[in-house]
Amino acid sequence: GAGVSQSPSNKVTEKGKDVELRCDPISGHTALYWYRQRLGQGLEFLIYFQGNSAPDKSGLPSDRFSAERTGESVSTLTIQRTQQEDSAVYLCASSFGQGQGYEQYFGPGTRLTVT
Amino acid sequence: KQEVTQIPAALSVPEGENLVLNCSFTDSAIYNLQWFRQDPGKGLTSLLLIQSSQREQTSGRLNASLDKSSGRSTLYIAASQPGDSATYLCAVKSGGFKTIFGAGTRLFVKA
Repeated sequence: GAGVSQSPSNKVTEKGKDVELRCDPISGHTALYWYRQRLGQGLEFLIYFQGNSAPDKSGLPSDRFSAERTGESVSTLTIQRTQQEDSAVYLCASSFGQGQGYEQYFGPGTRLTVT
Repeated sequence: KQEVTQIPAALSVPEGENLVLNCSFTDSAIYNLQWFRQDPGKGLTSLLLIQSSQREQTSGRLNASLDKSSGRSTLYIAASQPGDSATYLCAVKSGGFKTIFGAGTRLFVKA
């Protein structure tokens, strides 16, 4: 079956512009996660959704970052007024539920470069 | 605050060797622990998930153990192959459903 998909796969933008990154989770997965991976570094948790709700937004790096999810499906991560420090691979994952037995399945990521 | 550490940071072994990767975490109140591999320029592939109530999981040549009381997990790879070369990541899901990743162990298996 189809896995987690993300678009675009690559995005180059100028400093100060806004960008939208999209994630399509596996059908039926109620939980969705966003992570950031800077070059040579580990994964940094950003936000998770249970259904369309994000109970904890404390992982978002600044108020320039926002995320939403609609129809318990697609999610969009928006970065406003991008900065060079936002350059990273943004990874999305989904799982069937939030219980301890549910694995997270990752998409291929969106590589964002801010020039 | 949960912190996850992986040792060693890098490992190079000859083909056929058995090896152990280590993951430690500071808060034992976890939901689960998941091991992933990441190939260069690609996303993450799930290898094994151990629930909080479990002690180990096995899949093929891989065996992962969990000792919550000591805050440790190990990933055992038997009879390593060049195709096993990748970065191996340990991820701990704790209260609040945040998932914290270790920095990974970069494995190179020489043919």
